[in-house]
Amino acid sequence: AQSVTQLGSHVSVSEGALVLLRCNYSSSVPPYLFWYVQYPNQGLQLLLKYTSAATLVKGINDFEAEFKKSETSFHLTKPSAHMSDAAEYFCAVMGGRRALTFGSGTRLQVQP
Amino acid sequence: DAGVIQSPRHEVTEMGQEVTLRCKPISGHNSLFWYRQTMMRGLELLIYFNNNVPIDDSGMPEDRFSAKMPNASFSTLKIQPSEPRDSAVYFCASTLGTGTVPYEQYFGPGTRLTVT
Repeated sequence: AQSVTQLGSHVSVSEGALVLLRCNYSSSVPPYLFWYVQYPNQGLQLLLKYTSAATLVKGINDFEAEFKKSETSFHLTKPSAHMSDAAEYFCAVMGGRRALTFGSGTRLQVQP
Repeated sequence: DAGVIQSPRHEVTEMGQEVTLRCKPISGHNSLFWYRQTMMRGLELLIYFNNNVPIDDSGMPEDRFSAKMPNASFSTLKIQPSEPRDSAVYFCASTLGTGTVPYEQYFGPGTRLTVT
């Protein structure tokens, strides 16, 4: 079975600071990994996905994530936080039947 | 395209009543997923259709829950009878893909269900 673990249910950064949201995966096969963002009272929007093509994946809004097999990690980063980045972020792994298994989410707060 | 459409956006009902949630996937997508989001359990898959056929319903909590996809452009999730513990946000998502190619899943805005 595949699973993801997100470390830290809440992360707070200052505007302009580096954003780092952690995700570790467990998978018996090469995983497909995703980061989604959820703004209040909205559905989920894809930020980026890893499909084994390149280990460093760039997404929307200057987010990127690096797949590290040796660490079974897929951490999400952004060089400079913006107030509009405040949201909940979900890491997910895709199983063999294409359904997503989500982590518990990390709520990002951006302080002015 | 209008994206994945869900209705209603909000539903408040009394315990014991039947609730039907509706989803219209993005045109041309061949897979549809129903997810439930709660504070306690996070986001969890309920059921997944491929080409209108249910593939995996292992996430459906119990027999009170049922889902159908009569055609490629419509799906329903029904709860009968509803209970307070069913209160959650229910998301529908659709995707285009064959085999195990990891195409993006597009999520609807969700239906917030409150059972009193």
